[in-house]
Amino acid sequence: GNSVTQMEGPVTLSEEAFLTINCTYTATGYPSLFWYVQYPGEGLQLLLKATKADDKGSNKGFEATYRKETTSFHLEKGSVQVSDSAVYFCALIPLPGTGRRALTFGSGTRLQVQP
Amino acid sequence: GAVVSQHPSWVICKSGTSVKIECRSLDFQATTMFWYRQFPKQSLMLMATSNEGSKATYEQGVEKDKFLINHASLTLSTLTVTSAHPEDSSFYICSAQNPGQVYNEQFFGPGTRLTVL
Repeated sequence: GNSVTQMEGPVTLSEEAFLTINCTYTATGYPSLFWYVQYPGEGLQLLLKATKADDKGSNKGFEATYRKETTSFHLEKGSVQVSDSAVYFCALIPLPGTGRRALTFGSGTRLQVQP
Repeated sequence: GAVVSQHPSWVICKSGTSVKIECRSLDFQATTMFWYRQFPKQSLMLMATSNEGSKATYEQGVEKDKFLINHASLTLSTLTVTSAHPEDSSFYICSAQNPGQVYNEQFFGPGTRLTVL
Protein backbone atom coordinates (compact mmCIF):
# COMPACT_ATOMS: atom_id res chain seq x y z
CA GLY A 1 0.00 0.00 0.00
CA ASN A 2 0.87 3.66 -0.11
CA SER A 3 2.60 5.32 2.81
CA VAL A 4 4.38 8.53 3.70
CA THR A 5 7.03 8.87 6.38
CA GLN A 6 8.02 12.23 7.83
CA MET A 7 10.60 13.19 10.36
CA GLU A 8 9.20 13.57 13.83
CA GLY A 9 8.90 16.95 15.39
CA PRO A 10 8.76 19.35 16.83
CA VAL A 11 11.47 21.13 14.92
CA THR A 12 12.56 24.27 16.72
CA LEU A 13 14.60 26.85 14.83
CA SER A 14 15.68 30.42 15.26
CA GLU A 15 14.47 33.00 12.79
CA GLU A 16 16.47 33.03 9.53
CA ALA A 17 17.73 29.48 10.05
CA PHE A 18 17.70 26.89 7.26
CA LEU A 19 14.86 24.39 7.33
CA THR A 20 14.71 20.81 6.11
CA ILE A 21 11.82 18.47 6.80
CA ASN A 22 12.41 15.00 5.45
CA CYS A 23 9.71 13.04 3.67
CA THR A 24 9.94 9.65 1.99
CA TYR A 25 7.17 7.66 0.39
CA THR A 26 6.14 4.22 -0.74
CA ALA A 27 3.74 3.93 -3.65
CA THR A 28 3.02 2.09 -6.86
CA GLY A 29 4.30 3.89 -9.92
CA TYR A 30 4.78 7.62 -9.81
CA PRO A 31 2.40 9.37 -7.47
CA SER A 32 1.80 13.09 -7.23
CA LEU A 33 3.45 14.57 -4.15
CA PHE A 34 2.31 17.44 -1.99
CA TRP A 35 3.24 19.50 1.02
CA TYR A 36 0.38 20.96 3.02
CA VAL A 37 0.64 23.45 5.87
CA GLN A 38 -1.73 23.82 8.78
CA TYR A 39 -1.56 26.98 10.86
CA PRO A 40 -2.93 26.86 14.42
CA GLY A 41 -6.70 26.45 14.45
CA GLU A 42 -7.00 26.36 10.68
CA GLY A 43 -7.53 23.80 7.92
CA LEU A 44 -4.94 22.55 5.49
CA GLN A 45 -3.50 24.72 2.78
CA LEU A 46 -1.59 23.43 -0.18
CA LEU A 47 1.98 24.71 0.04
CA LEU A 48 3.50 23.13 -3.05
CA LYS A 49 3.27 20.10 -5.28
CA ALA A 50 5.16 18.04 -7.84
CA THR A 51 3.58 15.62 -10.24
CA LYS A 52 6.53 13.85 -11.86
CA ALA A 53 10.11 12.88 -11.18
CA ASP A 54 12.65 15.73 -10.91
CA ASP A 55 9.89 18.34 -10.69
CA LYS A 56 10.56 21.05 -8.14
CA GLY A 57 7.61 22.57 -6.36
CA SER A 58 8.08 25.98 -4.81
CA ASN A 59 6.00 28.56 -2.99
CA LYS A 60 6.61 31.30 -0.40
CA GLY A 61 10.33 30.49 -0.26
CA PHE A 62 9.71 26.79 0.34
CA GLU A 63 10.76 24.19 -2.18
CA ALA A 64 10.82 20.43 -2.58
CA THR A 65 12.15 18.23 -5.37
CA TYR A 66 10.54 14.96 -6.44
CA ARG A 67 13.35 12.40 -6.21
CA LYS A 68 12.30 9.10 -7.74
CA GLU A 69 15.61 7.37 -7.06
CA THR A 70 15.37 7.99 -3.32
CA THR A 71 11.53 8.16 -3.18
CA SER A 72 11.83 11.43 -1.32
CA PHE A 73 10.24 14.87 -1.33
CA HIS A 74 12.10 16.84 1.33
CA LEU A 75 10.85 20.31 2.19
CA GLU A 76 13.41 23.13 2.44
CA LYS A 77 13.47 26.83 3.11
CA GLY A 78 16.56 28.96 3.25
CA SER A 79 15.47 31.40 5.93
CA VAL A 80 12.49 30.71 8.14
CA GLN A 81 10.32 33.33 9.79
CA VAL A 82 8.24 33.24 12.94
CA SER A 83 5.16 33.26 10.74
CA ASP A 84 6.23 29.88 9.30
CA SER A 85 5.43 28.20 12.61
CA ALA A 86 2.85 25.56 11.73
CA VAL A 87 2.42 21.86 11.12
CA TYR A 88 3.64 20.58 7.77
CA PHE A 89 2.21 17.47 6.15
CA CYS A 90 3.74 15.53 3.29
CA ALA A 91 1.19 13.64 1.21
CA LEU A 92 0.73 11.67 -1.98
CA ILE A 93 -1.98 10.69 -4.41
CA PRO A 94 -1.32 7.68 -6.63
CA LEU A 95 -1.65 7.84 -10.37
CA PRO A 96 -5.22 7.39 -11.57
CA GLY A 97 -5.99 3.71 -11.87
CA THR A 98 -3.20 2.59 -9.54
CA GLY A 99 -4.87 3.01 -6.19
CA ARG A 100 -7.42 4.92 -4.19
CA ARG A 101 -7.79 8.57 -5.01
CA ALA A 102 -7.62 9.92 -1.47
CA LEU A 103 -4.53 11.60 -0.13
CA THR A 104 -2.22 9.56 2.04
CA PHE A 105 -0.68 11.80 4.67
CA GLY A 106 2.46 11.63 6.69
CA SER A 107 2.20 12.12 10.42
CA GLY A 108 2.96 15.83 10.23
CA THR A 109 5.94 17.80 11.51
CA ARG A 110 5.44 20.73 13.84
CA LEU A 111 7.77 23.65 13.17
CA GLN A 112 8.38 26.25 15.83
CA VAL A 113 10.37 29.32 14.84
CA GLN A 114 11.67 31.50 17.65
CA PRO A 115 12.47 35.17 17.20
CA GLY B 1 -10.54 29.40 -7.73
CA ALA B 2 -11.00 25.95 -6.20
CA VAL B 3 -12.51 27.08 -2.91
CA VAL B 4 -14.12 24.64 -0.50
CA SER B 5 -16.22 25.81 2.41
CA GLN B 6 -17.44 24.02 5.51
CA HIS B 7 -20.29 24.88 7.80
CA PRO B 8 -20.33 25.25 10.69
CA SER B 9 -16.75 26.07 11.59
CA TRP B 10 -17.34 24.91 15.14
CA VAL B 11 -20.18 23.29 17.00
CA ILE B 12 -20.83 22.26 20.58
CA CYS B 13 -23.57 19.73 21.23
CA LYS B 14 -24.90 17.54 23.99
CA SER B 15 -24.22 13.85 24.10
CA GLY B 16 -26.84 11.86 22.19
CA THR B 17 -27.70 14.55 19.67
CA SER B 18 -26.89 14.53 15.96
CA VAL B 19 -24.77 17.08 14.17
CA LYS B 20 -24.66 17.81 10.44
CA ILE B 21 -21.58 19.27 8.78
CA GLU B 22 -21.74 20.66 5.26
CA CYS B 23 -18.95 20.73 2.71
CA ARG B 24 -19.36 22.81 -0.44
CA SER B 25 -17.19 23.32 -3.48
CA LEU B 26 -17.85 26.94 -4.39
CA ASP B 27 -16.43 27.32 -7.87
CA PHE B 28 -16.12 23.85 -9.32
CA GLN B 29 -18.10 20.66 -9.49
CA ALA B 30 -16.68 17.90 -7.35
CA THR B 31 -17.69 14.38 -8.26
CA THR B 32 -15.66 13.14 -5.32
CA MET B 33 -15.33 14.54 -1.83
CA PHE B 34 -13.41 13.13 1.09
CA TRP B 35 -14.01 13.34 4.81
CA TYR B 36 -11.09 13.29 7.22
CA ARG B 37 -10.84 13.33 10.96
CA GLN B 38 -7.97 14.89 12.86
CA PHE B 39 -7.23 14.39 16.53
CA PRO B 40 -5.16 16.96 18.40
CA LYS B 41 -1.56 17.03 17.27
CA GLN B 42 -2.11 14.10 14.92
CA SER B 43 -2.37 13.59 11.20
CA LEU B 44 -5.51 13.40 9.13
CA MET B 45 -7.22 10.05 8.93
CA LEU B 46 -9.48 9.36 5.98
CA MET B 47 -12.98 8.42 7.10
CA ALA B 48 -14.80 8.00 3.82
CA THR B 49 -14.90 8.82 0.15
CA SER B 50 -18.10 10.43 -1.02
CA ASN B 51 -19.19 10.09 -4.63
CA GLU B 52 -22.00 12.16 -6.05
CA GLY B 53 -25.16 10.13 -6.53
CA SER B 54 -23.87 6.94 -4.93
CA LYS B 55 -23.12 5.50 -1.52
CA ALA B 56 -20.01 6.58 0.28
CA THR B 57 -17.07 4.25 0.67
CA TYR B 58 -15.99 4.01 4.29
CA GLU B 59 -12.54 3.20 5.57
CA GLN B 60 -12.03 0.19 7.77
CA GLY B 61 -13.08 0.86 11.33
CA VAL B 62 -15.39 3.77 10.51
CA GLU B 63 -19.01 3.12 11.46
CA LYS B 64 -21.19 4.01 8.50
CA ASP B 65 -24.33 4.12 10.62
CA LYS B 66 -22.74 6.62 12.95
CA PHE B 67 -21.15 8.84 10.34
CA LEU B 68 -23.78 9.31 7.65
CA ILE B 69 -22.51 10.83 4.41
CA ASN B 70 -24.71 12.22 1.69
CA HIS B 71 -23.37 13.62 -1.58
CA ALA B 72 -26.59 14.78 -3.18
CA SER B 73 -25.14 17.25 -5.66
CA LEU B 74 -21.87 18.03 -7.40
CA THR B 75 -21.17 20.86 -4.99
CA LEU B 76 -22.40 19.58 -1.64
CA SER B 77 -21.56 16.70 0.66
CA THR B 78 -22.80 16.38 4.22
CA LEU B 79 -21.49 14.41 7.17
CA THR B 80 -23.93 13.70 9.97
CA VAL B 81 -22.58 12.47 13.27
CA THR B 82 -25.48 10.58 14.79
CA SER B 83 -25.96 10.15 18.52
CA ALA B 84 -22.75 11.97 19.20
CA HIS B 85 -20.64 11.11 22.23
CA PRO B 86 -17.63 12.85 23.77
CA GLU B 87 -15.24 10.51 21.98
CA ASP B 88 -16.57 11.89 18.68
CA SER B 89 -15.12 15.28 19.57
CA SER B 90 -12.59 16.06 16.89
CA PHE B 91 -11.68 18.28 13.97
CA TYR B 92 -13.50 17.15 10.83
CA ILE B 93 -12.10 18.24 7.49
CA CYS B 94 -13.50 17.72 4.03
CA SER B 95 -11.78 17.98 0.70
CA ALA B 96 -13.04 18.07 -2.85
CA GLN B 97 -11.37 16.74 -5.91
CA ASN B 98 -11.48 18.72 -9.11
CA PRO B 99 -12.04 16.19 -11.89
CA GLY B 100 -10.64 18.61 -14.40
CA GLN B 101 -7.14 18.22 -13.03
CA VAL B 102 -5.04 15.28 -14.16
CA TYR B 103 -3.08 14.88 -10.94
CA ASN B 104 -6.16 14.62 -8.74
CA GLU B 105 -5.37 17.56 -6.49
CA GLN B 106 -7.69 17.97 -3.55
CA PHE B 107 -8.84 21.24 -2.09
CA PHE B 108 -9.55 21.36 1.60
CA GLY B 109 -12.23 23.05 3.60
CA PRO B 110 -11.25 25.00 6.72
CA GLY B 111 -12.49 22.26 9.03
CA THR B 112 -15.23 21.92 11.62
CA ARG B 113 -14.38 21.54 15.28
CA LEU B 114 -16.94 19.37 17.04
CA THR B 115 -17.13 19.29 20.81
CA VAL B 116 -19.57 16.86 22.40
CA LEU B 117 -20.36 17.53 26.04
